Amino acid sequence: NAGVTQTPKFQVLKTGQSMTLQCAQDMNHEYMSWYRQDPGMGLRLIHYSVGAGITDQGEVPNGYNVSRSTTEDFPLRLLSAAPSQTSVYFCASSYSWVTGGRTGELFFGEGSRLTVL
Amino acid sequence: DAKTTQPPSMDCAEGRAANLPCNHSTISGNEYVYWYRQIHSQGPQYIIHGLKNNETNEMASLIITEDRKSSTLILPHATLRDTAVYYCIVRVPPFGNEKLTFGTGTRLTIIP
Repeated sequence: NAGVTQTPKFQVLKTGQSMTLQCAQDMNHEYMSWYRQDPGMGLRLIHYSVGAGITDQGEVPNGYNVSRSTTEDFPLRLLSAAPSQTSVYFCASSYSWVTGGRTGELFFGEGSRLTVL
Repeated sequence: DAKTTQPPSMDCAEGRAANLPCNHSTISGNEYVYWYRQIHSQGPQYIIHGLKNNETNEMASLIITEDRKSSTLILPHATLRDTAVYYCIVRVPPFGNEKLTFGTGTRLTIIP
């Protein structure tokens, strides 16, 4: 198992550009989510999904779009990058139920560091 | 979901037990307590979780009070590699039907 894979690890954008951060998991997890972490702050939820075809907004969704066409993939799209979106982005996934020996723990990717100039 | 409250920072001498408290006074009966840690800028790492009973694994112990309003994460013999930010969160299954967020956690510094 590769776990949760995020690409790219680093990206520099100019204001107004668009891009997609990729997230893939191979654990057949129902739940996937995107967080951003700014210096000295905790993780803030951007968007999340409880299954293919289902997405919902977190606490800081503005400026971001997501889709969940498959169980494995949950890309995060920046529509028109702004300097305020400079951050480290983490994708996470988990099972939805604590049954059958599952712990319900969130598995995180290694992060994608985005700089918007 | 219940909110959690943690001290912003703690120090602990290397080799001693590190006890990290978490208050979750509004926790409901079916909410689990989870602990994670984040070393430098890596993705957070799962440590342990529990519902009612105390739990222990190879990394840590989790003590949950009888009324479940608070818990303590114990790292029995802290090493320098345990320096990290520790997050306490609560989750109710089915996981995912919640806007799960992490606060600022407790920054634990292990002192040589």
